[in-house]
Amino acid sequence: NAGVTQTPKFRILKIGQSMTLQCAQDMNHNYMYWYRQDPGMGLKLIYYSVGAGITDKGEVPNGYNVSRSTTEDFPLRLELAAPSQTSVYFCASSSQGDGYTFGSGTRLTVV
Amino acid sequence: SQELEQSPQSLIVQEGKNLTINCTSSKTLYGLYWYKQKYGEGLIFLMMLQKGGEEKSHEKITAKLDEKKQQSSLHITASQPSHAGIYLCGADPLWRNQGGKLIFGQGTELSVKP
Repeated sequence: NAGVTQTPKFRILKIGQSMTLQCAQDMNHNYMYWYRQDPGMGLKLIYYSVGAGITDKGEVPNGYNVSRSTTEDFPLRLELAAPSQTSVYFCASSSQGDGYTFGSGTRLTVV
Repeated sequence: SQELEQSPQSLIVQEGKNLTINCTSSKTLYGLYWYKQKYGEGLIFLMMLQKGGEEKSHEKITAKLDEKKQQSSLHITASQPSHAGIYLCGADPLWRNQGGKLIFGQGTELSVKP
């Protein structure tokens, strides 16, 4: 099984540009999450989803949008990139009673 | 809101030495996850503790959950360079054993000197 696949692995954006971070899982997990990781800050939850068609905000949702049209995919959209969004982004999925499975991350730099 | 505090924030040990990382919660812990992150990579699931007093081991890593103290500890015996990385604890503030959004500590960076 591939687990959780994130693309791209690296990206450099200019201020004001937009992009979509892709996340796909093949484990039929209902729950999916987007986190960002900044040095010394641990992981902060951006958005999460408990199933197809259902999304909700986490701790730091401003500047981001998500959608969950299928169980497998949970893309994260940045509409107007800002330097404060420079971070490493992790997608994760989980099912009842299981530990989370994380993707390998997307390293984003906004210049 | 619940917060997790890890200590120490960083740790350098000589190969072969034992070490302990702590994770303290501001509220009652109903369950706790431990993850390891290698530099530049994703998070690898280590263990999940659900009950007060529970202790789990995997190879040379042992984790315990003390609900009364709202704390979990991760202990590594006879550390090796392969143990180096960032260790993160995570907890679900609305633990219902059904999956939910995790909050994380800030991480503990472990370096093991050969």
